[in-house]
Amino acid sequence: DGGITQSPKYLFRKEGQNVTLSCEQNLNHDAMYWYRQDPGQGLRLIYYSQIVNDFQKGDIAEGYSVSREKKESFPLTVTSAQKNPTAFYLCASRTGGWDTEAFFGQGTRLTVV
Amino acid sequence: GENVEQHPSTLSVQEGDSAVIKCTYSDSASNYFPWYKQELGKRPQLIIDIRSNVGEKKDQRIAVTLNKTAKHFSLHITETQPEDSAVYFCAASTGGGYQKVTFGTGTKLQVIP
Repeated sequence: DGGITQSPKYLFRKEGQNVTLSCEQNLNHDAMYWYRQDPGQGLRLIYYSQIVNDFQKGDIAEGYSVSREKKESFPLTVTSAQKNPTAFYLCASRTGGWDTEAFFGQGTRLTVV
Repeated sequence: GENVEQHPSTLSVQEGDSAVIKCTYSDSASNYFPWYKQELGKRPQLIIDIRSNVGEKKDQRIAVTLNKTAKHFSLHITETQPEDSAVYFCAASTGGGYQKVTFGTGTKLQVIP
């Protein structure tokens, strides 16, 4: 189903807890991205990675962390330092080319309870 | 960094009319401009893109225009149909080492039958 899988689809977290969102792709894409989607604010970039063991902060990285130990996987950890974590999170991947299509996962809706 | 502004945030048109969504970008180094469509409850998907060496591109009922001097690009949908109802995102991307993809804030298009 598009080759990029996010899990879980829905996630509930208690305040003060860290939580990790999974993103796996079997498209052999080099680049992977995490976006946060809030109503009226579009897709805001959290982190992105061009190659294994390398990643860059996006526009709203505070309170988040990532790792890229394998080409296929780019997990996102939402830490307790993120003050407003309730949102819809989208993972995307694309080949290394500068003008290539980004393929998105189906998203994870995180709710802090 | 790159900043992409998108207008309008909502757009209602009668079936059969045309719809136009406009975006501006700030980084003159941006050279790739994709448009994504996100239907309700689904992942964003690429519908058309344009590279900086091209001024216009058409694909059936949709077209995109690019004005590099003014740093703006637009999506045009003709003969709109109810299935065109969705949220549309523009984006800008640069080539080079770290290939960020920056999205606009989205336009919710409603096509009224």
